[in-house]
Formats: sequence, C-alpha cells, structure tokens
Amino acid sequence: AQKITQTQPGMFVQEKEAVTLDCTYDTSDPSYGLFWYKQPSSGEMIFLIYQGSYDQQNATEGRYSLNFQKARKSANLVISASQLGDSAMYFCAMRDPFSGSARQLTFGSGTQLTVLP
Amino acid sequence: NAGVTQTPKFQVLKTGQSMTLQCAQDMNHNSMYWYRQDPGMGLRLIYYSASEGTTDKGEVPNGYNVSRLNKREFSLRLESAAPSQTSVYFCASNLDSGGYSNQPQHFGDGTRLSIL
Repeated sequence: AQKITQTQPGMFVQEKEAVTLDCTYDTSDPSYGLFWYKQPSSGEMIFLIYQGSYDQQNATEGRYSLNFQKARKSANLVISASQLGDSAMYFCAMRDPFSGSARQLTFGSGTQLTVLP
Repeated sequence: NAGVTQTPKFQVLKTGQSMTLQCAQDMNHNSMYWYRQDPGMGLRLIYYSASEGTTDKGEVPNGYNVSRLNKREFSLRLESAAPSQTSVYFCASNLDSGGYSNQPQHFGDGTRLSIL
C-alpha cells in the first residue's frame, strides 16, 4: 500500500527566508509521481509542483523547488524567499499508476506553514 | 475560467437525512474524484470515475454513492447522513489519459458539511 508521511505538523519561517517541508513516501513500484498542493485558510487546493520518478532533474516552479532523493524516498518542498502569502497548509501527494486505483492520489497529513513578518 | 464547481458550499443536515453534493467541471477532463478532508488526516478518496459511465470505490466509500451523470458532472450522495460524515468534501478532476501521467488534479473549493 502507498503511504505518504509528512512529519512536521507545523513550521514557522521568517519572511524572506527559505523553508523546507519534508515528505517521505513508500511504494514498491518504480514508476510514480509526486505532487505538492497548497491549501490557504480560504480552503481551496492549489497545485504547486510535480516530480516524476524518472525525471532526471529536480522540479522547479518559480520560488518552489523539489529536493527529490529517490533512494531515500523523499520529496521535500523548498520555498525560497518566503512571503506572508505563503502561510498555508501544504500537502504532499503521490500517484502510483500501477496501484489498484491507478489514478488516485494518496495524500499526507499536511504541514501548516506560518510565515512571520 | 470556472474550472471545478461544487454546490453547495455549506450544508447542515440532521442525522438520517439525505443529500446530494454536486460537482461540475468545464475542462473536458476524463477523470473525476470525490475526497473528504478531516482534521489532521489530509484528503482521503471516497469514489472516483475514470471516464463517463464508470465509477470505482476509493479508500473510504462506505455510506456514500456516486453518479457520473455525463462527462462534466459527478455527484456524491449521502443516503442517510451520520455525524461521522461531518467533513469538508472536495471534488477534483484530471485530464488523465490513463497510466502514468503528470497531470495534476484540479480541485473545487469544497463543501463544508455538518451532520447534527
């Protein structure tokens, strides 16, 4: 069974500093995808970044980047130059196309990030 | 761009009542999903529909039924609501042509459902 673990229930970061949100996963399949979503206090789910298991390079999207360590089964989200608007819940999710429910995402429990002024 | 639209946004029910949560997407996506979000547990899949006319159970299907009315619409029904079904419900859709895909799921804004 797939499993996503986010060990940091809450994180604080000073504005303009970088922060890393941890995510580890467990799968026995060689082909999978990892997604990060942001959920602000307003409640909507916003897609941030994607990393495929066969991607040669770590994914980047603006101030977001993934520190993907395949051997350690970790896909940590790095947010550079934090802004007050980054305060939100962040979810890591995995998609395993060879699982029984091939298209579903399995979510971690999330990390609540608070950016301090 | 509407994306994924859920109705209603809020609902309060009494135990035993029934209701249907509506979801529609205008992105011509093939796959649609219903999740519930409970505090400290992330999102859990209730049901999904890989294409029009097909539905499959997810992680927590008990107490729910779904209908994929057409390609655009995917509804979730609670036949006899229970307090344990108090949650925030999210509908999502995905272009997904099958198999390995990097397409993200697009989410609606959620429905906050309270069962008294």
